[in-house]
Amino acid sequence: EDKVVQSPLSLVVHEGDTVTLNCSYEVTNFRSLLWYKQEKKAPTFLFMLTSSGIEKKSGRLSSILDKKELFSILNITATQTGDSAVYLCAVKRTDKLIFGTGTRLQVFP
Amino acid sequence: ETGVTQTPRHLVMGMTNKKSLKCEQHLGHNAMYWYKQSAKKPLELMFVYSLEERVENNSVPSRFSPECPNSSHLFLHLHTLQPEDSALYLCASSQQGMNTEAFFGQGTRLTVV
Repeated sequence: EDKVVQSPLSLVVHEGDTVTLNCSYEVTNFRSLLWYKQEKKAPTFLFMLTSSGIEKKSGRLSSILDKKELFSILNITATQTGDSAVYLCAVKRTDKLIFGTGTRLQVFP
Repeated sequence: ETGVTQTPRHLVMGMTNKKSLKCEQHLGHNAMYWYKQSAKKPLELMFVYSLEERVENNSVPSRFSPECPNSSHLFLHLHTLQPEDSALYLCASSQQGMNTEAFFGQGTRLTVV
């Protein structure tokens, strides 16, 4: 059975800290791995990763994929209170997205 | 604004009611999805429509009935729901055949009383 596992389930940090969110997967017919940020309702797209070892970066956020070990990490440096959200990892299999439970990040001033 | 619009944003219904959720996408995509998000559970895929044909139905109870009249619109018809069906229902769209991301609507927060 396909599965996507995220850890930790929740994380509480102070502004300025650096955090690493983890996502491991066991999915047949893998096409890509996606990260989304969900603040209130609609998940918003962050990154799509298809190749191992190539870091994607957007401001203070970066992500990398390891297709041999079947995991990805999402790093956030110099966290801000606006980074507080649930971060969702999803694996795309043909046209089906399989989601993990998410990591709830809370950043306090 | 993601280009995917869902209505209503909130819905409270009794177990004997019939209601419908609506989703509209303005992105020119050819695939649309319904997801259910319950507390502390992963997003659960319910239905997939590709080119207006249902291609996936993940063992969803028959009290949920999807309808896709065209590539821009998707409905979820609800009848005789149970309290455990209370959840956030998210609609998404994507372009089938391309390895691109899905875009989500704001969701409908459904409460069954």
